[in-house]
Amino acid sequence: AQKITQTQPGMFVQEKEAVTLDCTYDTSDPSYGLFWYKQPSSGEMIFLIYQGSYDQQNATEGRYSLNFQKARKSANLVISASQLGDSAMYFCAMRGPNTGGFKTIFGAGTRLFVKA
Amino acid sequence: ETGVTQSPTHLIKTRGQQVTLRCSSQSGHNTVSWYQQALGQGPQFIFQYYREEENGRGNFPPRFSGLQFPNYSSELNVNALELDDSALYLCASSWGDRAYGYTFGSGTRLTVV
Repeated sequence: AQKITQTQPGMFVQEKEAVTLDCTYDTSDPSYGLFWYKQPSSGEMIFLIYQGSYDQQNATEGRYSLNFQKARKSANLVISASQLGDSAMYFCAMRGPNTGGFKTIFGAGTRLFVKA
Repeated sequence: ETGVTQSPTHLIKTRGQQVTLRCSSQSGHNTVSWYQQALGQGPQFIFQYYREEENGRGNFPPRFSGLQFPNYSSELNVNALELDDSALYLCASSWGDRAYGYTFGSGTRLTVV
């Protein structure tokens, strides 16, 4: 069965520093997609970055990059130059055929606190 | 382009009642999925609709049902509400079964007392 594990319930980072949020996943399917979403206190889930299982290079989107280590089944999110507005919940998610084809599995999330 | 709009934003219901939550998908999107997010947890997939038909369902009982209309807006109906149904209900839309970039709404916060 598919599973997403985020082992860091909360993380603190100093403003302007980089931070890594951990995510490991479990799947037996060779084709899948990995995502990171940000959820501020308003509740809306904001798409940040996507990595396909066959992508050779790590995905990057502005200050966000995804450290994809397929053999270790990890998909860590790296946020560079943290900003106060980055304080939020962050969810790692996976989508693939074994999940029923049309659903995304989310981890429990990591709450990030950015300190001034 | 407008985003995903959900209504109402907050709702309080009594155990045993029925509730209908609404979602207007982003312009141009024909697929809508619903998620339940309990406090302190990640979202759990309820079901997805594509062109007015349900094409995927998570581990939720039949008292959770839905509809998608010709304009691709959607409803989530929950019958016989239970206390554990208290959660944030999120709607997300996309064009087809996209591999990435679902657009989420801000959710409806349902409290069952």
